[in-house]
This record gives sequence, structure tokens and C-alpha cells, in this order.
Amino acid sequence: GESVGLHLPTLSVQEGDNSIINCAYSNSASDYFIWYKQESGKGPQFIIDIRSNMDKRQGQRVTVLLNKTVKHLSLQIAATQPGDSAVYFCAENVDYGQNFVFGPGTRLSVLP
Amino acid sequence: EPEVTQTPSHQVTQMGQEVILRCVPISNHLYFYWYRQILGQKVEFLVSFYNNEISEKSEIFDDQFSVERPDGSNFTLKIRSTKLEDSAMYFCASDQGPGKRHFGDGTRLSIL
Repeated sequence: GESVGLHLPTLSVQEGDNSIINCAYSNSASDYFIWYKQESGKGPQFIIDIRSNMDKRQGQRVTVLLNKTVKHLSLQIAATQPGDSAVYFCAENVDYGQNFVFGPGTRLSVLP
Repeated sequence: EPEVTQTPSHQVTQMGQEVILRCVPISNHLYFYWYRQILGQKVEFLVSFYNNEISEKSEIFDDQFSVERPDGSNFTLKIRSTKLEDSAMYFCASDQGPGKRHFGDGTRLSIL
């Protein structure tokens, strides 16, 4: 079936650098996307969302970019900090339904 | 910020036994969810609950699973006869409608 996937399972960045985490989705009907951060021993934590009528949305130190043409979603983290180390999941939603489909996750490691 | 709380944090159960996982969603939320995450894998949707009934469920949520909102604050997931493959983290979540979904920190279920 259609599913959400990720290009890179792990990403290591130097503290202070920018991070880019990518996500590919295959369901062209998906119209709402969320990025979640999951720290060890914790549940997924909402970071930022974007609806399909937008191609960019900015939060505090984070930006989500949506390219519907190639079905690609990315999360950019500016000035990455040690506290950003976690697994990041993208999730897609169709027609504002209740079933979010999560991607497999990317582990972000911030090096000192 | 209000939180979704889950108890217990870790549950160890013999195979074939019944287990009940408990959650207290955020008080003004209307939609409640259970998700499962097998170790090292992605988060999987199990079921959504709205207006005192199941509104959507995945193929994982078979007859062995049930959910209940026994009072105005608790939301439970019951597994009638546990199997080894039920071992996973179980996350409860809630929201006011499709959008920013808040997750609890999970219950680790270990089946022996």
C-alpha cells in the first residue's frame, strides 16, 4: 500500500550547523503533514505541520518545505543544538482523516 | 502545557493474559487514539475514538483489542489474550480534531 518513507535513516551534524531531514510520500491524496520529534523514552512531540495548499511554513528554528510535484517533505532545523538529538518522523494524513501514516524515522545526532 | 498521561510506564504480562493500558487524554480534547511502536520501528495507528465510539481502526486492531472510555477522563486499551508479538510501546494520543495531536510518553508492554 501507499506509505511514507525517508531517504536517510541517520543524520549526524555539527552543533550550530543546519540540519535537513527528508521525507518522501507516495499518496498523492495526502493533504496534511506533520513532523514529530521523539526523544528516547518519550512519545512523539509535535514540531510543525503544513497543509497541502502551502509549500513552506516556518516555526521557531524550524522550517517545513512541501513539494507536491515530487511528493517530498523536508524539515530544516537552524543552528542545530544538542537538544535536537532525537528521531524525527514525518506523518501524512488524507482528507483530514484520523489515521496518520508515520514514516520510519530519521535519527538526528548532534556532534559537539 | 497540558499533557496526555499514561500508566503504567512498563507492563510485564504472561502470554495469554489480559492487559489493560490506561490513558488520561487532555481534558478538552474530543478525539482519542492508540498507536503502537515495535522496538526500532515506526509508529503505527491502531484506533481512533470519538463521541464514545470507534471512528476508525487499522487492520492491526483485531478482535483481541478493545477500547473504552469508562468515565470522563480515562481512555483504556484492552488486549484480551496477549501474544508475544504484542510486545511494543503503546502510545495514547488526543486532539480537538485533525491537527496537532498530543502523544503520551507510552507504556512499554513486554509479553513473556
